[in-house]
Amino acid sequence: EIVLTQSPGTLSLSPGERATLSCRASQSVSSRYLAWYQQRPGQAPRLLLYGASSRATDIPDRFSGSGSGTDFTLTISRLEPEDFAVYYCQQYGSSPGFTFGPGTKVDIK
Amino acid sequence: QVQLQVSGPRLVKPSQTLSLTCTVSGDSISSSNDYWTWIRQPAGQGLEWIGRIYTSGSPDYNPSLKSRVTISVDTSKNQFSLNLSSLTAADTAVYYCAREAGDFWSGYYLDYWGQGTLVTVSS
Repeated sequence: EIVLTQSPGTLSLSPGERATLSCRASQSVSSRYLAWYQQRPGQAPRLLLYGASSRATDIPDRFSGSGSGTDFTLTISRLEPEDFAVYYCQQYGSSPGFTFGPGTKVDIK
Repeated sequence: QVQLQVSGPRLVKPSQTLSLTCTVSGDSISSSNDYWTWIRQPAGQGLEWIGRIYTSGSPDYNPSLKSRVTISVDTSKNQFSLNLSSLTAADTAVYYCAREAGDFWSGYYLDYWGQGTLVTVSS
């Protein structure tokens, strides 16, 4: 089973700043099978990126993704107030299907 | 617009079986090429994939839950369901249903989610 680790656990930033979130896999992951989600308090997760770098429908272009192999990055170029949330990376594999990282919380400094 | 709505009990006793249903609108389960998925999230914790079903195939389950989980689909009602048996307090969580989209080339991801329902296991 591939284990995903996310860092940092919490990122304290101000609106307008750049956020860089890391997701590291215990084994190499095809970038096709790496996705990112945003979860605001009390809400269901929302798909941001799939295939490591493709934005989902209606996701603004301040969200971008990169990476390959075991290291992936989600970048938010300029934080808007609604971007303060928890972000999860996810990989798809043969077993157990989907696994998620523990999440990075982006909060207001 | 695809929408998913979870329904079922909010409080279940230990050792009993949880039954949840996800009703899909805006997409037809029977004609869809997608998988239909259950995920859960204990309070303050991360996301755990429970399993998925495709209308014309066998369901897939998380090995850690496989002995207790059954996922089924009712195409006539455009619904899919989760049964989780032998409940303990550790099963207390928000349960989500979601649509798994994608393919071999674009990858697999969860593009539409239901609002989630908090299920508490307690006597």
